Formats: sequence, structure tokens, C-alpha cells
Amino acid sequence: GENVEQHPSTLSVQEGDSAVIKCTYSDSASNYFPWYKQELGKGPQLIIDIRSNVGEKKDQRIAVTLNKTAKHFSLHITETQPEDSAVYFCAAANNDMRFGAGTRLTVKP
Amino acid sequence: EPEVTQTPSHQVTQMGQEVILRCVPISNHLYFYWYRQILGQKVEFLVSFYNNEISEKSEIFDDQFSVERPDGSNFTLKIRSTKLEDSAMYFCASSVQGQGGYEQYFGPGTRLTVT
Repeated sequence: GENVEQHPSTLSVQEGDSAVIKCTYSDSASNYFPWYKQELGKGPQLIIDIRSNVGEKKDQRIAVTLNKTAKHFSLHITETQPEDSAVYFCAAANNDMRFGAGTRLTVKP
Repeated sequence: EPEVTQTPSHQVTQMGQEVILRCVPISNHLYFYWYRQILGQKVEFLVSFYNNEISEKSEIFDDQFSVERPDGSNFTLKIRSTKLEDSAMYFCASSVQGQGGYEQYFGPGTRLTVT
């Protein structure tokens, strides 16, 4: 089955800096790659996603890139703000969705 | 904005008891899912459900688990005989279409504590 690896497990940045989180997946049949933000005590919230026929997608300060050949995808957050602090999960989906282990992002004011 | 709701927010039960976790998916969604998150760990897929039957299930979803859509709005997860290791957050999600390739929206979760 699908195996998703996510790095780093923790990331601390200064407000205004960029943050990058990377994931790899194992199943070449996976065709959908969402990113979720989870705040304390809440359910995962979809923030951006990318499909396998696209290499890059951007939504304001958030961008995601996908390299299908290498089976890796990344989340980029620019101009980070304290409210970006949360746990971020990547996932890869074909018939079911498998999550990475999560990255705890801390943005220091 | 429509959202997935779950009840209860917290359920405490004794080992060996049956529990039913309830979810109301977004009304025009057709695919429904349950996930589990043990404290501090990753979100794990349990099962997906479409057209009143299970579409996919993971190795975690063994015979003690079952899902049901008893009416037009609710989607339930039943754990027949709870074990200590079932303690976790359980999230329900739904999507318009599915499974891969379509946005899944998550509920706030039910924290299950088995004592």
C-alpha cells in the first residue's frame, strides 16, 4: 500500500520567513496530493491540493509543487505569520488517502 | 459554509463496551470516510463508504468495526468491543466525489477514551 514520508517533523521559523515541508510517496498510482492544517483540538483543514497532471499550484502565500518522477511533493509558505503555527499533514490518494506523520510549524513573532 | 459535524465531542467508555460515533456529512456529499488519530501521531485511514456500502478499508478496520448510514443524514462508526488501544481521535470526512482526486472535508472529531 501507499507509504507517505514527511519531513521535517518540527520546523521553527521567524515571522516573515518562508517555510518548506517535503513529502515523498511510494505508490505511483497516487494521483491526488492534498495538504491539511490541523490546529490544536480541531480536525484537519484542507489548505491546498494538487493533482498528478499539474506540477505546481499557488494560492496567495501557499504553493505546492509535485515531482511525479521522483514521487515527491512540497508545501511552501511564504511571509509566514504567527497564525500559520499548526501541524501540517501531507497526504497521497488513489483509492484511499494516506497521510504523512505531520510537521509542527512554529512561527515566532 | 456547510461543514461536517460529529457527536459526541468526547466519549469515555470502559474496555469491552460498544460505542457508536456519529457524523453528519455535508449534505450534497456522496462519499464518507472515517479516520483515526492516536494522540501525537498521524491521521490513519479506516474506511470509505459510498452508495450504502464500504468502498475501501484499511488493515486497522477489522471485524470489531462497522459503519452504517442509518438515514439520509447520519453516518456512524461502531466499535463493538472497545480495547485500550482504540483510544484516539476519530474523524469523519466527506467528499462530493471520491475517493482519490476529490477534496475531503473533515469534522472536528470525537475523542474516544477507553479505560
